Amino acid sequence: NAGVTQTPKFQVLKTGQSMTLQCAQDMNHEYMSWYRQDPGMGLRLIHYSVGAGITDQGEVPNGYNVSRSTTEDFPLRLLSAAPSQTSVYFCASSYSAGRMNTEAFFGQGTRLTVV
Amino acid sequence: GENVEQHPSTLSVQEGDSAVIKCTYSDSASNYFPWYKQELGKRPQLIIDIRSNVGEKKDQRIAVTLNKTAKHFSLHITETQPEDSAVYFCAPKPENTGFQKLVFGTGTRLLVSP
Repeated sequence: NAGVTQTPKFQVLKTGQSMTLQCAQDMNHEYMSWYRQDPGMGLRLIHYSVGAGITDQGEVPNGYNVSRSTTEDFPLRLLSAAPSQTSVYFCASSYSAGRMNTEAFFGQGTRLTVV
Repeated sequence: GENVEQHPSTLSVQEGDSAVIKCTYSDSASNYFPWYKQELGKRPQLIIDIRSNVGEKKDQRIAVTLNKTAKHFSLHITETQPEDSAVYFCAPKPENTGFQKLVFGTGTRLLVSP
């Protein structure tokens, strides 16, 4: 059971380049989300999805796009990278238990540097 | 939205001491209170959680206590060990219709010295 898998683990981009961070989960979880982690600022929500075909913005969505065509995959796209997007990115998934909140499972993270 | 604060931001203890981290939240509808541990260079992982119908929960050396009236909950670690060194995050959340948007505290860095 692989859980939540993110690729790549490390990436260096030049300002203005585009790229896609991949996230896949094999637990059949409905909910998936992307966070960025910056020193002293904890984890901030970028975008999230409650199921295939449904996405919404989180706290810091500007500069990022997402789509959810399948239950398993939730890629994060940077259309024109900026130095301010240098960060560690985490993908997370969780499952529905009626109205009860459940544990979030995180991927191993992608360390992105924009120069 | 939920405002979440953690205190202290950094905590240094000697091995064997106890450590307490407090999480204060603003949304009175919150009724799920998890704590996540993130070791250096690793992913966050759930270590303990509590729901509002319970005031305290214990799992070996870790425990969580909840004060819903004052809107705070705390992580307690007893007999600390060097492997407890990590950043700890709280993420209080109300029950809702199903979707989940975790709002994390800014984290507490715990350093346990041998």
